[in-house]
Amino acid sequence: AQSVTQLDSHVSVSEGTPVLLRCNYSSSYSPSLFWYVQHPNKGLQLLLKYTSAATLVKGINGFEAEFKKSETSFHLTKPSAHMSDAAEYFCVVRSSGGGADGLTFGKGTHLIIQP
Amino acid sequence: DGGITQSPKYLFRKEGQNVTLSCEQNLNHDAMYWYRQDPGQGLRLIYYSQIVNDFQKGDIAEGYSVSREKKESFPLTVTSAQKNPTAFYLCASSNSQGYTEAFFGQGTRLTVV
Repeated sequence: AQSVTQLDSHVSVSEGTPVLLRCNYSSSYSPSLFWYVQHPNKGLQLLLKYTSAATLVKGINGFEAEFKKSETSFHLTKPSAHMSDAAEYFCVVRSSGGGADGLTFGKGTHLIIQP
Repeated sequence: DGGITQSPKYLFRKEGQNVTLSCEQNLNHDAMYWYRQDPGQGLRLIYYSQIVNDFQKGDIAEGYSVSREKKESFPLTVTSAQKNPTAFYLCASSNSQGYTEAFFGQGTRLTVV
């Protein structure tokens, strides 16, 4: 079985300050890990992915994440928040140990950007 | 350009009525999925299909039906048996080989009136 835990349901930061969204996972297999962003009433857009290559992954819009196997974590960071980053973020795990579709979604983290 | 198209964007259903949500992809993906999203509950899997003419129930299939007659298309019917259908519905597709990412449509918001 596999699982994903997004440690914060809401994160609030000021514009121009760093962003940290935390994700821990559990998987008996070597998983792929993804971060998606969802703006209101929109679909999910892929930010970045880890598929067993480099452990530090760079994505779109200045986001990056580091895969830490020893800590079973895949936290999402950005050095400087922008107002347009306000959205819902989902951490996703995929492996052969997943559910019927192999995909397991976190519950989401709502990122709020203060002006 | 390539992607997944869901239609309509907004849909209103009367009590006791069946409605069908469309999902079309031109990414040549074998696997397609339907998810339901409710506030604060993340995404829940309704149905998925890994190949044409085959599909499996997800975690919350009751009150829903699907078909997969073509590789490109995976329509979802919300039947009158679904007692609380008001939600945001997302369709996705992916390669069935390897642990690759899923691509999502823009969603359909269904409201019971």
